[in-house]
Amino acid sequence: AQSVAQPEDQVNVAEGNPLTVKCTYSVSGNPYLFWYVQYPNRGLQFLLKYITGDNLVKGSYGFEAEFNKSQTSFHLKKPSALVSDSALYFCAVRDMRYGGATNKLIFGTGTLLAVQP
Amino acid sequence: DVKVTQSSRYLVKRTGEKVFLECVQDMDHENMFWYRQDPGLGLRLIYFSYDVKMKEKGDIPEGYSVSREKKERFSLILESASTNQTSMYLCASNHRGSGNQPQHFGDGTRLSIL
Repeated sequence: AQSVAQPEDQVNVAEGNPLTVKCTYSVSGNPYLFWYVQYPNRGLQFLLKYITGDNLVKGSYGFEAEFNKSQTSFHLKKPSALVSDSALYFCAVRDMRYGGATNKLIFGTGTLLAVQP
Repeated sequence: DVKVTQSSRYLVKRTGEKVFLECVQDMDHENMFWYRQDPGLGLRLIYFSYDVKMKEKGDIPEGYSVSREKKERFSLILESASTNQTSMYLCASNHRGSGNQPQHFGDGTRLSIL
């Protein structure tokens, strides 16, 4: 079965410290992986994606993510957290049923990032 | 910038009513999606459309239907609203392709069924 797991419901970090939001996946074939952020009372905003190539992907707002095939992980990282990074973060993987042709995504349950001043 | 607009941010309806949620995108995207978002469950796909008049069921289609009469507009219909359909509803769109296109989301409609 295809799935995405975000093992932490909430991550707390002090402003200025590095942050990591974890994501692991289970999918057949080569994974297409995405990170989205949701601010309160807003829709999801695309942050970054891994399709192929370099395992370290850089995205918006200083975020980056590392693809690790052997550990089936795609953790989101930022070297120095800001209070304004506090939001809900979703990891997603392309749904490979029907060969992935439908562009559907499977989303994790989300991780709430709280950055303390 | 891509704009996905959902017609209402907040909506309150009564049990048994027929409810329409509207979504419009301005980027000529082929694909459009309806999700519901519930705490602890993430986003779950209700219905998907890859072209005008085309639709596919997602993971939780029961109690819902959709309409795509024009490329830019995708409507979600609750045939007879029930309290367990109280949720945040999100619309998204993207170009048909090889699966590497990010989806673009509207700001959501928070629907309460009383």
